[in-house]
Amino acid sequence: KAGVTQTPRYLIKTRGQQVTLSCSPISGHRSVSWYQQTPGQGLQFLFEYFSETQRNKGNFPGRFSGRQFSNSRSEMNVSTLELGDSALYLCASSLEGQGDKKQYFGPGTRLTVT
Amino acid sequence: AQSVTQPDIHITVSEGASLELRCNYSYGATPYLFWYVQSPGQGLQLLLKYFSGDTLVQGIKGFEAEFKRSQSSFNLRKPSVHWSDAAEYFCAVGGSSNTGKLIFGQGTTLQVKP
Repeated sequence: KAGVTQTPRYLIKTRGQQVTLSCSPISGHRSVSWYQQTPGQGLQFLFEYFSETQRNKGNFPGRFSGRQFSNSRSEMNVSTLELGDSALYLCASSLEGQGDKKQYFGPGTRLTVT
Repeated sequence: AQSVTQPDIHITVSEGASLELRCNYSYGATPYLFWYVQSPGQGLQLLLKYFSGDTLVQGIKGFEAEFKRSQSSFNLRKPSVHWSDAAEYFCAVGGSSNTGKLIFGQGTTLQVKP
């Protein structure tokens, strides 16, 4: 079974631009979560989607948004990019079911804002 | 507040030596606990998880962890470290309710000396 895939793997953007990152979960997984990883702040939870609905949201400004499609694929969007948005953005998927909270992570998208 | 603390930012051990990485958590409800490993430029790979039951859990690559509720700890151990174990290790906690949100510690970087 294919793992979590994220596209693109690397991205360079300029301040003020917007960006969209994509995540395809493992087949059958309905929950998709997004995390931001930076050297200073570590791994921080952005949001989680389940069945096309946002189920949880972290403490990020409204410039960060996401959505999930009927096939469970998810996108996250960052508008008006700032230098501090440079990070590795990780997507994780999980199989919903009592007792299974394992999340499987993709390789990430490395975003550089200049 | 929910939090995870990994007291050791950086650990160096000799190849063949034993390893223990510390993790302390603060979580109001019954925690789900995880250890992940991240190699440079890669996503996170799940080493092991604790949901309930036996407090000593076995994972992949010869790792094990012990859940101690009284100490709010979930330390990761390996009896004999291999050079390929050099990586960054993250402890994470999640809740028992229907949410995929994980709270991560700051990570411990493991260096292995030949």
